Amino acid sequence: KAGVTQTPRYLIKTRGQQVTLSCSPISGHRSVSWYQQTPGQGLQFLFEYFSETQRNKGNFPGRFSGRQFSNSRSEMNVSTLELGDSALYLCASSPTTALYGYTFGSGTRLTVV
Amino acid sequence: GQQLNQSPQSMFIQEGEDVSMNCTSSSIFNTWLWYKQDPGEGPVLLIALYKAGELTSNGRLTAQFGITRKDSFLNISASIPSDVGIYFCAGVQDDYKLSFGAGTTVTVRA
Repeated sequence: KAGVTQTPRYLIKTRGQQVTLSCSPISGHRSVSWYQQTPGQGLQFLFEYFSETQRNKGNFPGRFSGRQFSNSRSEMNVSTLELGDSALYLCASSPTTALYGYTFGSGTRLTVV
Repeated sequence: GQQLNQSPQSMFIQEGEDVSMNCTSSSIFNTWLWYKQDPGEGPVLLIALYKAGELTSNGRLTAQFGITRKDSFLNISASIPSDVGIYFCAGVQDDYKLSFGAGTTVTVRA
């Protein structure tokens, strides 16, 4: 079956702009999580959605937001981009919870200039 | 920040060698996971551990869930060139998120 699909793979944006990243989970998976990966901070949890509800949120500013649709697809949005937002953004899905592990997508590489 | 202390930070392997890495924490976890990440890709789940003391194998990989639930280790036996990459441990405390170690970078020794 198809894995977790993230689009776009690469993105270059200017400071102050906003960006929307998309994630299609594995069919049947209802939990979708987002992580930010940077060389300095490693993999950091952003938020998790289940059945269109945000169940948990990491320690990121309010400029980072997300949502999940009824078909479990998810988007994350970053407004007023800063240089420090440059990172690999990873989406992951699981059937219900994190307890059995997440399957990750290949990520979206965001560069803010 | 990182809750998990993963070591070593990097290692060089020679084909055929056994290698090991571990993760420790001051917190208790309900699940321990080991992932491998290749350049330009997302992490891929290698092994999942669900019970304290559990020892699980996946081919040449063996991992254990520490008795105290605060640590885990991963062994790779008879390493091959495609074992290079970054290995991450991850722990699950509640149901919704993974806490990751900083990663162990495995490189082939010239």
